[in-house]
Order: sequence, then C-alpha cells, then structure tokens
Amino acid sequence: RKEVEQDPGPFNVPEGATVAFNCTYSNSASQSFFWYRQDCRKEPKLLMSVYSSGNEDGRFTAQLNRASQYISLLIRDSKLSDSATYLCAVNSAGGSYIPTFGRGTSLIVHP
Amino acid sequence: DAGITQSPRHKVTETGTPVTLRCHQTENHRYMYWYRQDPGHGLRLIHYSYGVKDTDKGEVSDGYSVSRSKTEDFLLTLESATSSQTSVYFCAISTTGGNSYEQYFGPGTRLTVT
Repeated sequence: RKEVEQDPGPFNVPEGATVAFNCTYSNSASQSFFWYRQDCRKEPKLLMSVYSSGNEDGRFTAQLNRASQYISLLIRDSKLSDSATYLCAVNSAGGSYIPTFGRGTSLIVHP
Repeated sequence: DAGITQSPRHKVTETGTPVTLRCHQTENHRYMYWYRQDPGHGLRLIHYSYGVKDTDKGEVSDGYSVSRSKTEDFLLTLESATSSQTSVYFCAISTTGGNSYEQYFGPGTRLTVT
C-alpha cells in the first residue's frame, strides 16, 4: 500500500458544483497534513494546511479523519479557475520535515 | 511568494554531460529540498538539506549529488546526465512552526537529456 494515495481522476464537474477529494495515508502517527494546488506546467502551491478540527478558507474546506486515516478537500461553487491538480501531503510523526506527497487528483471545471 | 528562484529554467543537454541546477532563496529558511516530477510518479524527493553543509538522500538520489555552502543556495548536480533524468525539477523550502512544515516551491527547471 502506498503511503499516501489519491484518486487521480479526472473529476469533471460543471461550474457551480460542489466537489470533494479524499487522500488516504498509511502512517497512523502522521502529524501534519496539507493540500496543494498545481496548475499545468507550474509549481505546486500551498492551498491550505489541514487542522484536526477542520478548517475553511472561502469556498474551500479541509477536514481530517484520523480514525479512517484520510483528509478531504471540499470545493463549493466551483469556478473554471479551480481547474488544476490537487496534491495532498502528509508529514509523519515527531516533527518530520519530509512530507510524502500523493500523486494528485485532477479537477476539470467546465462551463 | 517565498522568494525562491531556480536557474536555469530550461535546459537541454546531452547524455554524459554534467549539469548543475541552482536553487536560491532570500528568506533564510533552514530546510531546502530537491524534487523531480514525472508523469505517473508525482513528486519524488531527490535530496534535502537541513542546514549549511547538512544534506541527506531522498528516495531517488542515485545519479544526483547536492551541495549547500550557503543558507540561501542549494545546488543539485547530475554528474553524468542520462535520458532517465529528463524531468521537471522543483526546489522547495520548508517553514517551521510547531509540528507544521509547510512547503513552498520554486518555479521549476525543465531538463531534457538527449
């Protein structure tokens, strides 16, 4: 089993739709969790960190489910500009500064 | 903007030649990383550094070496480039705060080995 797994998609949704991605991780001692956004031929950019209590940033909501070992990203009211690949990253225990990245989930938002 | 630049941004080189990629940061971050990204593999860690002259291997370090003689610069060297090293190379820094290590990436270097 890979350490961090994501459904590669693509998720093809109309503008205005709500879409959710999951990212599962295998190390139960993982401490830090992140979502990154990567546009085609660009570098990954930090979208949001994922906190134990869940967190929201505008149309984006991230949640952590430690019992089932996954994090999720919910995008409400999708925009064309949300089309990108979304990468999750997980840092293991003990303040590790070496994250493990998933391979990403592709989102395509169409008119 | 985490103040990370990479040079060159694009390079075409021949098999067997040495290549050095440079990552430069302006914000004095301790941790720096080199990744490669290939279709079907995602981001893979090549080497990382946790301070000047302190480096360690990642999961795909064979054929690569690194050096960090100054906090702001992290160099990746392909001693003898091979076609399998054709890839997009990203440098990253990591912020430190509690147990959270957010990463910020440079714009990438597209390397083609012919």
